[in-house]
Amino acid sequence: QVQLVQSGAEVKKPGASVKVSCKASGYTFTSYGISWVRQAPGQGLEWMGWISAYNGNTNYAQKLQGRVTMTTDTSTSTAYMELRSLRSDDTAVYYCARAKIGPFDPWGQGTLVTVSS
Amino acid sequence: EIVMTQSPATLSVSPGERATLSCRASQSVSSNLAWYQQKPGQAPRLLIYGASTRATGIPARFSGSGSGTEFTLTISSLQSEDFAVYYCQQYNNWPPEYTFGQGTKLEIK
Repeated sequence: QVQLVQSGAEVKKPGASVKVSCKASGYTFTSYGISWVRQAPGQGLEWMGWISAYNGNTNYAQKLQGRVTMTTDTSTSTAYMELRSLRSDDTAVYYCARAKIGPFDPWGQGTLVTVSS
Repeated sequence: EIVMTQSPATLSVSPGERATLSCRASQSVSSNLAWYQQKPGQAPRLLIYGASTRATGIPARFSGSGSGTEFTLTISSLQSEDFAVYYCQQYNNWPPEYTFGQGTKLEIK
C-alpha cells in the first residue's frame, strides 16, 4: 500500500536547523510530488511548500521563502524538508503528503519539532 | 493568495443527525477543492476531492458539493467516529500553491 514514513521527533535550539525525512513506498516516487504541511500546537494546517519528485522543481510558501529547502533522493524514494534559523513559533508537527496537482493523499505520520532554549 | 474561510468554527450535532460544514474561497477555485478529516493525534485523512468525489474507502454518508467559491461538506447521519476537525483545501494554482481553511470542529451535542 502507499505509505509515507517520517523521521522521528526533534528538539532544537533557537537559531538551529532541522531536517525531516519522508520515505515513500508503494508507488512510483517520481510520478508524484511531495508537499509539506505543519501544524502548531492546537492550531490549523499550514502549507509550507511542494517539490516535484520528477524534476526537483519547488514552490515554497512566501512566508517561509529563504528559510526552507525541500529536496528529494530518487534512489531511496525519500523527500527531505530543511528549515533553518528556527524560532519558538516553528514548534509544530510537520507532515509530508503525496501530491500531484491535486489533493494530498496519503499523509505521513507527522514529526514533532520542538524549538526551545 | 487565495484565502479559505470555513464556518462555523465549531458545530455541535447529535449522533444520527446531519452535519453541514461550509467553506468559502476568496476567489474562484473551480472544483479544485478537497476536504480532510483530522482526529486528535492523527494525520489528516483525505475525504473528498474535486469538490464532490469521495476518496477511496470513504463512506457514502460523506458528500461534497459546490464550485467556484462556495462549498459544502455534508455528513448525512453522524457516527461516533465522525466527531473530528474538518479542513477544506484549495489546489487551484500553478505552480502548486495550496491553502487550507482554519477548520471546523465537529463535536457531540
